[in-house]
Amino acid sequence: NAGVTQTPKFRVLKTGQSMTLLCAQDMNHEYMYWYRQDPGMGLRLIHYSVGEGTTAKGEVPDGYNVSRLKKQNFLLGLESAAPSQTSVYFCASTLDQGAGNTEAFFGQGTRLTVV
Amino acid sequence: ELKVEQNPLFLSMQEGKNYTIYCNYSTTSDRLYWYRQDPGKSLESLFVLLSNGAVKQEGRLMASLDTKARLSTLHITAAVHDLSATYFCAGAMYSGGGADGLTFGKGTHLIIQP
Repeated sequence: NAGVTQTPKFRVLKTGQSMTLLCAQDMNHEYMYWYRQDPGMGLRLIHYSVGEGTTAKGEVPDGYNVSRLKKQNFLLGLESAAPSQTSVYFCASTLDQGAGNTEAFFGQGTRLTVV
Repeated sequence: ELKVEQNPLFLSMQEGKNYTIYCNYSTTSDRLYWYRQDPGKSLESLFVLLSNGAVKQEGRLMASLDTKARLSTLHITAAVHDLSATYFCAGAMYSGGGADGLTFGKGTHLIIQP
């Protein structure tokens, strides 16, 4: 059972380069999220999706775009990377946030450095 | 807008001692989560608290929720070195059936010394 898988695990970019982070989940979850984690800041929500074909902005969306073309995949794009986007990125998914003892499952993280 | 504040942010304690991490939140949160993170690793779910007065225990960790005080606590009993980690609390709000994601505290970096 793979759970939530992020690709790649590490990446170094030069300022201005673009890249896409892939998040894949095999639990048939409806809701998927992208967070960034910076020292002393906790995790902050970048974008999220409540289902295939839908996306919405979170707390810190600037400089990022997302797409959810398939239910199991949630892509995070950086069109023109900046040093301020150096961070650890986590993807998460949940089955149903509306009720029940729902927990969020997190991927292993992607450590991105922009130089 | 939901804001979540944890304290302390850093805690060094000795094995065998008891201590409590506090998590305050600013507005009504539909549920409260506790996570553990080891250095360089992902987040591991510890507890999900759904209602006022909820108490959950797993080993030496016990979490509780007081929605009237907007406070959750994570209590550590007779700490052991293996519990050294960063602990996060997170709240969640749901509006119109949509999921707004989790709002995290800044984390409590816990070091347990022999």
